[in-house]
Amino acid sequence: KQEVTQIPAALSVPEGENLVLNCSFTDSAIYNLQWFRQDPGKGLTSLLLIQSSQREQTSGRLNASLDKSSGRSTLYIAASQPGDSATYLCAAPSDYGGSQGNLIFGKGTKLSVKP
Amino acid sequence: DAMVIQNPRYQVTQFGKPVTLSCSQTLNHNVMYWYQQKSSQAPKLLFHYYDKDFNNEADTPDNFQSRRPNTSFCFLDIRSPGLGDAAMYLCATSAQGVFDGYTFGSGTRLTVV
Repeated sequence: KQEVTQIPAALSVPEGENLVLNCSFTDSAIYNLQWFRQDPGKGLTSLLLIQSSQREQTSGRLNASLDKSSGRSTLYIAASQPGDSATYLCAAPSDYGGSQGNLIFGKGTKLSVKP
Repeated sequence: DAMVIQNPRYQVTQFGKPVTLSCSQTLNHNVMYWYQQKSSQAPKLLFHYYDKDFNNEADTPDNFQSRRPNTSFCFLDIRSPGLGDAAMYLCATSAQGVFDGYTFGSGTRLTVV
């Protein structure tokens, strides 16, 4: 059964710092892994989707890596800004065998970037 | 822009009074999902539709039901809301399930009084 863990649960950094958020998953036979951002009281915004054949994906100041063999993914945020403050969730599929499987989410890392 | 739209953003209902949350999509995706997210917890899947095929998670309470009358719309019905059902309800879509990325709506915050 897929389990997703995110460390740390909360992180506070000064503006301008580069930072890394960590995600680990127990079932490495995954099609892909997705990172989301959630602002307080809002829905989820997709940030990056990494397919199992890829090792990383980049979008602007965000870079996500995927290491299936070790069951880990990282989200790197360069030159953090106060507007990056939010909760970041990673999610991995629950089943390898079926397309109708469920996305299993970590509890998220709550990021606060101080001006 | 193609998107997933949830209405209403905020819903207050009385204990035991049926309530319906709605979700629509312009992405023409095959799969639509309903997730429940309680405070400081990870989203939890309630059920999903793959086209017209309904798939209920084993631990979803009977109090929760869903309808998908067409490709674009999906509804979440809570027959008799309890205080424990207060949560954020998130609708998501995917073209082909877990092979593809998921797109989420803005969510509906349900309060039960």
